[in-house]
Amino acid sequence: AQKVTQAQTEISVVEKEDVTLDCVYETRDTTYYLFWYKQPPSGELVFLIRRNSFDEQNEISGRYSWNFQKSTSSFNFTITASQVVDSAVYFCALDLDSSASKIIFGSGTRLSIRP
Amino acid sequence: DSGVTQTPKHLITATGQRVTLRCSPRSGDLSVYWYQQSLDQGLQFLIQYYNGEERAKGNILERFSAQQFPDLHSELNLSSLELGDSALYFCASSVALGTGELFFGEGSRLTVL
Repeated sequence: AQKVTQAQTEISVVEKEDVTLDCVYETRDTTYYLFWYKQPPSGELVFLIRRNSFDEQNEISGRYSWNFQKSTSSFNFTITASQVVDSAVYFCALDLDSSASKIIFGSGTRLSIRP
Repeated sequence: DSGVTQTPKHLITATGQRVTLRCSPRSGDLSVYWYQQSLDQGLQFLIQYYNGEERAKGNILERFSAQQFPDLHSELNLSSLELGDSALYFCASSVALGTGELFFGEGSRLTVL
């Protein structure tokens, strides 16, 4: 069975701290896609990144970085020098057919950045 | 602003009623997805349309139906509403199949009393 686990329900840090959001996935498929989405207080989900199972390169985008490790079935997300605007719920997701029709979302991690 | 428009933003209705949620995808996007977000179930995929045709079904109840029109806008119909149908309903669109990047609307919050 496919599953995405975000064990951290809520995280609260002080601005400028680094924070890592954990994501562990389960699938027996060899081809799959992993995502992170951000849901700010306004409500809409915002796409952050997509990774396919054959690409284990870590990615950095500004203050955001992602660590994909197939050996531990993890796709963790780190925010460096966090800012208040980073406060949101972050969802990790797993898709098996690349068309996004079978995306399984984790339960989300609510991140609060305190000034 | 994702470019995906959902109406209404908020809707309050009674059990047993029927409602229609509307979604206009981003200009040029052919694929529309509907998701339900509730506290107990999290984000659940309901159904996907591509260029007017149903492409995939998820955990969509028989009381729910959807369609995508020739102008690519989509409607989600929820009937015989129950208290448990109270949730945030998201529409998302993507330009084609296989990209995996979804653009979400702000959602329609349905409250069933």
